[in-house]
Amino acid sequence: DTAVSQTPKYLVTQMGNDKSIKCEQNLGHDTMYWYKQDSKKFLKIMFSYNNKELIINETVPNRFSPKSPDKAHLNLHINSLELGDSAVYFCASSHPNRGRRGDQYFGPGTRLLVL
Amino acid sequence: ILNVEQSPQSLHVQEGDSTNFTCSFPSSNFYALHWYRWETAKSPEALFVMTLNGDEKKKGRISATLNTKEGYSYLYIKGSQPEDSATYLCAFRQAGTALIFGKGTTLSVSS
Repeated sequence: DTAVSQTPKYLVTQMGNDKSIKCEQNLGHDTMYWYKQDSKKFLKIMFSYNNKELIINETVPNRFSPKSPDKAHLNLHINSLELGDSAVYFCASSHPNRGRRGDQYFGPGTRLLVL
Repeated sequence: ILNVEQSPQSLHVQEGDSTNFTCSFPSSNFYALHWYRWETAKSPEALFVMTLNGDEKKKGRISATLNTKEGYSYLYIKGSQPEDSATYLCAFRQAGTALIFGKGTTLSVSS
């Protein structure tokens, strides 16, 4: 069974479109994250949710909005897609009760290409 | 701005060689230091989490050390094998903040 899953795996779309990426974890974790891997392969945090509540929101355009219907899901909705949004987006989860020792478990990534 | 620096950026070794990489991070307000292994076309997998100065962790042929006072961690691989080829990510965390990742060291092991 996949611990952290993301759909779709690949997403090719036109500039200006609105798209969503879904993430689900079956690990019973309370905290979920979205990361963006930029063109330089650098992994940067975008958002973090704990028990459906936003706890970290890094400098990300307002066109990006995370939505957490329950603690097992954290979806990423992107409005008015731009060329610069092309990247690989990774979802991750962790168990906060493990404190500082809590590893993050990553999904397989969604490769977004905006044309 | 908090920076996590990893060196070297890439490394090519022969099978059987031992190697090590460096991760440098801010020494103030230290909370935890993570190492991840990231194979091509897969997602990062946790290797170690270290929280105390002087911590040493070992998993098979891979080990890591931590010096929080001077702000560095070393990852060692003994007797490298082709299956060790991957990018090794270091991630640093201060209390109440998210993980900050380095850019990784990409290891290539040829047989």
